[in-house]
Amino acid sequence: DIQMTQSPSSLSASVGDRVTITCQASQDINNYLNWYQQKPGKAPKVLIYDASNLEAGVPSRFSGSGSGTDFTFTISSLQPEDIATYYCQQYDSLPQAFGQGTKVDLK
Amino acid sequence: EVQLVQSRAEVKKPGESLKISCQGSGYRFTSHWIGWVRQMPGKGLEWMGIIHPDGSDTKYSPSFQGQVTISADSSINTAYLQWRSLKASDTAIYYCARQEGYCTPTSCYGYFDFWGQGTLVTVSS
Repeated sequence: DIQMTQSPSSLSASVGDRVTITCQASQDINNYLNWYQQKPGKAPKVLIYDASNLEAGVPSRFSGSGSGTDFTFTISSLQPEDIATYYCQQYDSLPQAFGQGTKVDLK
Repeated sequence: EVQLVQSRAEVKKPGESLKISCQGSGYRFTSHWIGWVRQMPGKGLEWMGIIHPDGSDTKYSPSFQGQVTISADSSINTAYLQWRSLKASDTAIYYCARQEGYCTPTSCYGYFDFWGQGTLVTVSS
């Protein structure tokens, strides 16, 4: 099975800061990676699919990049409503797998 | 409007059986695979498995194979997650989600574009 390692597990940032989260796959997954946002008490929501494609309706301050084993998720200017936990997900092979999550809060 | 509506929260005792549901609306139910995701208290997301809504194919994570059964009834646009004998460690929120994409024998390509609201299952003596 493919393992996904996210870092950091948590971070604190100020409004307007650039936030970067990384996700590393245990083997090459091409660009078969998604990013989700989960707010407390809510279901996850897809933000980025296929490593770098922005889901419709998602603000452009969110972006993703990478291919192979190393991926990056960026919030260009953190907003208060972005406080959440973020997960990467590989779908190169079964079973699909999520990273362990990165909790983002305000400094 | 696409919606996935899950059944209510459940409180069960160890050893009891349970079947929770996920009903889709606002789209052609058989056009999209439905997946199930577990979230244990305070923990991350775990991919459990996925089913074609016509019931023709189901894929399980090895971690959940034999522990749960995923099924579907396309006549009522509903997918199910079932346990024969619950354990305390099954306490979690279970989400269903619609996959935008397709599956092959070895992979399911795409992403979960719509999610149910989650069903909290509590197993306690």
